[in-house]
Amino acid sequence: SQQGEEDPQALSIQEGENATMNCSYKTSINNLQWYRQNSGRGLVHLILIRSNEREKHSGRLRVTLDTSKKSSSLLITASRAADTASYFCATALSGGGADGLTFGKGTHLIIQP
Amino acid sequence: DTGVSQNPRHKITKRGQNVTFRCDPISEHNRLYWYRQTLGQGPEFLTYFQNEAQLEKSRLLSDRFSAERPKGSFSTLEIQRTEQGDSAMYLCASSLALGGGAGREQFFGPGTRLTVL
Repeated sequence: SQQGEEDPQALSIQEGENATMNCSYKTSINNLQWYRQNSGRGLVHLILIRSNEREKHSGRLRVTLDTSKKSSSLLITASRAADTASYFCATALSGGGADGLTFGKGTHLIIQP
Repeated sequence: DTGVSQNPRHKITKRGQNVTFRCDPISEHNRLYWYRQTLGQGPEFLTYFQNEAQLEKSRLLSDRFSAERPKGSFSTLEIQRTEQGDSAMYLCASSLALGGGAGREQFFGPGTRLTVL
């Protein structure tokens, strides 16, 4: 079963605009990660935020985490055509030696030139 | 290229046949993971190894599925008596775990697309 749920399922914006995607999850986590998947390519890790962190930046990416609401958001600023992809949040559960990631269904982002 | 590699990239088989996939992780990574992804869905975790030990298995990993990592390097995933529902992309990933603990950045391979006719 998939713990994370991304919202929206699909998003289409103009190049240069900002894109925001949200993720909700159900159980306690060790950390939350965001991945990107381009058509025909594998998954690429974007950013990891630990459960004791609230915000993290990496280049044009900004991730927030609210553990009280069990939610996270990914902001991509100044979008480019190359950002067109599916974006997935993935959670790593806390405790028990578990290390498999639980992915959501993803947000399909289209950047229109 | 020192990334995660998977072979074959595509496999078409008839229902009831056995198939085996191979994954070569990034050489210094001690953890190796298998996931399955169907169209329009996110990857679903199947199992992972730390070195040669299989430490976690998902309920999705039925008894027709078996994974090995005999020398702590490459891994194989075998599906016996394939069913049409097994058609999916099978993804392998690796990571470097220092000490215990969970959830580090995982590096994914390109996947093996399985089609069961």
